[in-house]
Amino acid sequence: GAVVSQHPSWVICKSGTSVKIECRSLDFQATTMFWYRQFPKQSLMLMATSNEGSKATYEQGVEKDKFLINHASLTLSTLTVTSAHPEDSSFYICSARDNSEAFFGQGTRLTVV
Amino acid sequence: AQKVTQAQTEISVVEKEDVTLDCVYETRDTTYYLFWYKQPPSGELVFLIRRNSFDEQNEISGRYSWNFQKSTSSFNFTITASQVVDSAVYFCALNKASGSRLTFGEGTQLTVNP
Repeated sequence: GAVVSQHPSWVICKSGTSVKIECRSLDFQATTMFWYRQFPKQSLMLMATSNEGSKATYEQGVEKDKFLINHASLTLSTLTVTSAHPEDSSFYICSARDNSEAFFGQGTRLTVV
Repeated sequence: AQKVTQAQTEISVVEKEDVTLDCVYETRDTTYYLFWYKQPPSGELVFLIRRNSFDEQNEISGRYSWNFQKSTSSFNFTITASQVVDSAVYFCALNKASGSRLTFGEGTQLTVNP
């Protein structure tokens, strides 16, 4: 299957700072990428859908000004958690879609202290 | 709206036992896709299977098998002769079009004890 690379795998940041997570499709062009969040011992919940060259579509309850998504190219989408707080600590995982299927990155474990 | 229910939060078995993970789904779409993923402690999602709504044939892959019953909206997953390495969280998921957003179930934590 296609390869999606997510970076970093884990990050610890101080409360109030911002952190950027990258999601790259390595061997295909992804017009659509999805960002999911998973709190400990919970399921994966879709945060937003990003389409190359346009604004992301956020799910209800997800603050678009806090979780900035940029999908500037067909192989890269970024999620920036701005002014992070401890309650933002979670596992973030992206998924990139090729023509017919979506493939997941390895995920990023964010800890805000 | 779509919904996926995995009623079993945790299952614990002894190695070599067979175990079935249940998945029940709700959707109004006539065409949809069902998935199973494995999530080991490291966190990455490991794709196990995708099945479209028009294919009700059961599938077997090694020790894994899947039973798709459209009449009961279920897509159950059985591991035969379980092994310690099977210990993980297993998610059932659904989408309405190939490559579209996934709706996940709550997941089942499977622990296989030696």
